[in-house]
Amino acid sequence: KNEVEQSPQNLTAQEGEFITINCSYSVGISALHWLQQHPGGGIVSLFMLSSGKKKHGRLIATINIQEKHSSLHITASHPRDSAVYICAVSSGSRLTFGEGTQLTVNP
Amino acid sequence: SQTIHQWPATLVQPVGSPLSLECTVEGTSNPNLYWYRQAAGRGLQLLFYSVGIGQISSEVPQNLSASRPQDRQFILSSKKLLLSDSGFYLCAAEQGAEGNTQYFGPGTRLTVL
Repeated sequence: KNEVEQSPQNLTAQEGEFITINCSYSVGISALHWLQQHPGGGIVSLFMLSSGKKKHGRLIATINIQEKHSSLHITASHPRDSAVYICAVSSGSRLTFGEGTQLTVNP
Repeated sequence: SQTIHQWPATLVQPVGSPLSLECTVEGTSNPNLYWYRQAAGRGLQLLFYSVGIGQISSEVPQNLSASRPQDRQFILSSKKLLLSDSGFYLCAAEQGAEGNTQYFGPGTRLTVL
């Protein structure tokens, strides 16, 4: 079993839909990160959180430390949101990554 | 803000040839630096990290090595490439305390034939 599990692996949505990607982890962490990887491979850090909830534009990330679970929500999804979304947890000086969720938003 | 540069962007090398990938960081000093590899269809795997010049920690036994000759320069090397070294290599930098946001470079796509 991986230390970081994401679901779903693949997600296809219609433009405008509300999207949720889930991440569960099994180790103690200092923070959880949500990353976005576009088809060219470049990675952008979306959020780093250790408690509660953060919002940036149409993106919302939440974390429940007791349940070791985090969700990434996208409101009013758009085709440009299509990418791989990666959950990662940090413990000390290293990140452990989930396998990623491939999101495709169709117009 | 930090900017991470990597080169080359793509590389095709024969089995048994040497490798040198370079990563440089702008906009920060004394960052923690990381090399990750993403094999096709797989998640990211930490290969090496460095908390300072000449200080390298290896996460997995492998055919690769890393060096940090300068504060903002991180190099990934191999003396003899294997087919299994193919993948997408990402350099990342983290400022200050561990657990902060990591900023990623654009990556190098390596194909070993």
